[in-house]
Amino acid sequence: QSVLTQPPSVSGAPGQRVAISCTGSSSNIGAGYDVHWYHQLPGTAPKLLIYSNNNRPSGVADRFSGSKSGTAASLAITGLQSDDEADYYCQSYDRSMSAWVFGGGTKLTVL
Amino acid sequence: EVQLLESGGGLVQPGEFLRLACAASGFTFNNYAISWVRQAPGKGLEWVSVISGSGANTYYADSVKGRVSMSRDHSTNTVYLYINSLRAEDTAVYYCAKNRDHSGNSQNWFDSWGQGTLVTVSS
Repeated sequence: QSVLTQPPSVSGAPGQRVAISCTGSSSNIGAGYDVHWYHQLPGTAPKLLIYSNNNRPSGVADRFSGSKSGTAASLAITGLQSDDEADYYCQSYDRSMSAWVFGGGTKLTVL
Repeated sequence: EVQLLESGGGLVQPGEFLRLACAASGFTFNNYAISWVRQAPGKGLEWVSVISGSGANTYYADSVKGRVSMSRDHSTNTVYLYINSLRAEDTAVYYCAKNRDHSGNSQNWFDSWGQGTLVTVSS
């Protein structure tokens, strides 16, 4: 059971928009800690997608955006492409555990 | 270009010891904390440990505390993870990841990752 809760899977057709939620608590996201997002293509290492809630590293398309409110965060992907099929993970810090924590991951399927 | 290259994984027996290495290049080594994050087969990501840029500070997840330690060698730009008393539940791909700054403090993320090294604990 992960400290941050994500839906196991989401899907969408090419060109559509999808959103992946990440729900935490008052000891992590709700305590003011930033949320970061990674994607992991099959058989590869995770890659940073969004940092500090809504910032994109250089080279990440503006189709990806993040937001945070209260004890939850969300990753939105617009203009879905087949290349977007991957596992997506949110990450934050939990003060009661004194540890960085990840969501359980969400598998995105492009129909 | 930032590069992180893990090594040292393999098949080990329960109760044994293992040392993983992470060779870093493409950035000023002293300026960044380095973490280990593991992923059990078919499972999600789990942060394991971090060492600050200077090497003075280390922090560990509760799941491994007491069995794990880290060090870094500034002469070879290499970070090490030492795991004692290996258990079946330690079976995972172990990634080293570069933190966003030197401190390893709470407001941190992992901006570059290695390709990982697989550790399998089985008799």
